[in-house]
Amino acid sequence: AQKVTQAQTEISVVEKEDVTLDCVYETRDTTYYLFWYKQPPSGELVFLIRRNSFDEQNEISGRYSWNFQKSTSSFNFTITASQVVDSAVYFCALSEPSNAGNMLTFGGGTRLMVKP
Amino acid sequence: EAQVTQNPRYLITVTGKKLTVTCSQNMNHEYMSWYRQDPGLGLRQIYYSMNVEVTDKGDVPEGYKVSRKEKRNFPLILESPSPNQTSLYFCASSFTGGGYQETQYFGPGTRLLVL
Repeated sequence: AQKVTQAQTEISVVEKEDVTLDCVYETRDTTYYLFWYKQPPSGELVFLIRRNSFDEQNEISGRYSWNFQKSTSSFNFTITASQVVDSAVYFCALSEPSNAGNMLTFGGGTRLMVKP
Repeated sequence: EAQVTQNPRYLITVTGKKLTVTCSQNMNHEYMSWYRQDPGLGLRQIYYSMNVEVTDKGDVPEGYKVSRKEKRNFPLILESPSPNQTSLYFCASSFTGGGYQETQYFGPGTRLLVL
């Protein structure tokens, strides 16, 4: 069965610090997809990135970067020079195309608090 | 603007009073789904629809109904709400991808309180 673990339930940093959010997943499929979503205090879920299991290239988007390592089943998310606006709950999610319903399995989320 | 909309955003109701939460997307997505988010339990899928007139149960379908008569709309129906259905509900949509997992885009959420 698929599973996503975000061991850090809460992280608090001071503005401009770098912070890494960990995500470890379990799957028996060779083809799968990983996602990160952001849930700001207003409550909506905002898509950040999608990565398939065949693409292990790291990705950078502005202050955000993602490190995908199949060898350790991890898909970690780093925010460089954090800002107060980055305060949110971040969810890592996994999907296996073999599953009916395209269901996303979410981790428990990491609440990031960035203090000025 | 490409988006998923939900209405209402906030709803307080009483046990047993039927309600419908609407979901609409303007991206011509075939796939739509409903999730609920609860503290300590995370996000769980309620129902999904691969296309018009094709719906199926997710992980937690009890107490809910859905319909997909048009491609853009996927309403969630609670025929007899109970307090354990108090939750934050999200609708999501995506292309079906033909074997690939496309990105699901979520609506803004509906906070439901059942008294």
